[in-house]
Amino acid sequence: DQQVKQNSPSLSVQEGRISILNCDYTNSMFDYFLWYKKYPAEGPTFLISISSIKDKNEDGRFTVFLNKSAKHLSLHIVPSQPGDSAVYFCAAHRAQGAQKLVFGQGTRLTINP
Amino acid sequence: ETGVTQSPTHLIKTRGQQVTLRCSSQSGHNTVSWYQQALGQGPQFIFQYYREEENGRGNFPPRFSGLQFPNYSSELNVNALELDDSALYLCASSYNYKTGLGTEAFFGQGTRLTVV
Repeated sequence: DQQVKQNSPSLSVQEGRISILNCDYTNSMFDYFLWYKKYPAEGPTFLISISSIKDKNEDGRFTVFLNKSAKHLSLHIVPSQPGDSAVYFCAAHRAQGAQKLVFGQGTRLTINP
Repeated sequence: ETGVTQSPTHLIKTRGQQVTLRCSSQSGHNTVSWYQQALGQGPQFIFQYYREEENGRGNFPPRFSGLQFPNYSSELNVNALELDDSALYLCASSYNYKTGLGTEAFFGQGTRLTVV
C-alpha cells in the first residue's frame, strides 16, 4: 500500500529553468508534507515543508504547492542549479503520535549545464 | 551537516547473524527514528524512540528491535539476518513535544548493511 507516490523516477532540466517535481498521496489524514533531498552517500536533507492548512510555502528558490482536493503536491525549483542534482523524496506524516514519515520512491533530478 | 552520526558506515554480515547499528542524535533532540531504505525505494519507517521508550512502529517483524539511551543516542538491533535485510539504514533525530508535535527530522548519513 503505497500511500505516497512519486511517479517520475527521473527528471532532466536545463540549468536556469524551472524544475517541477510531483507527488501524490492517498491518505487524507496526513497533516504535514515535506521534501527531502538526498545526495549519494549522505542521508536525506530537509528542504521545505507545508502544513495541510496551507496551499503554498516558499523558501528562496524552493516553493511547495499543495492541492488537497487532488491529494497532490509539487516542488518547484527556480532557477535550477547544477548543485540541485540529487534524488528528491516527498514525505508525509500526521501531526499526532509518532511522526512516522511516509516516503515516496524518490525522483532523480539532473540539472544539465 | 546535521549533527546526527551513525556507525558503522558499511557492514557485511552473513545470513542468520545479528547486527547492531548505532546513532548519535543531534544535540537537544529527544527523539530518534529508524528507517530502512532498500535500493531504488524511499525510506520505510521501522520504529521511533521518544525519551527512551518505543513510540510507534512500522511494519517490521520483532527481530528488529531498538534501544534509546539517557543521552538520547540509539541502537537498532536485527536478529537472524535475512538477505532481504540488505539496505541502507537511516537514523533521524528530532525534538518532539509531549503534545506529539515536533521539529523536522534530521537524518544521519546511514549505515549500508549487506547480508550475504
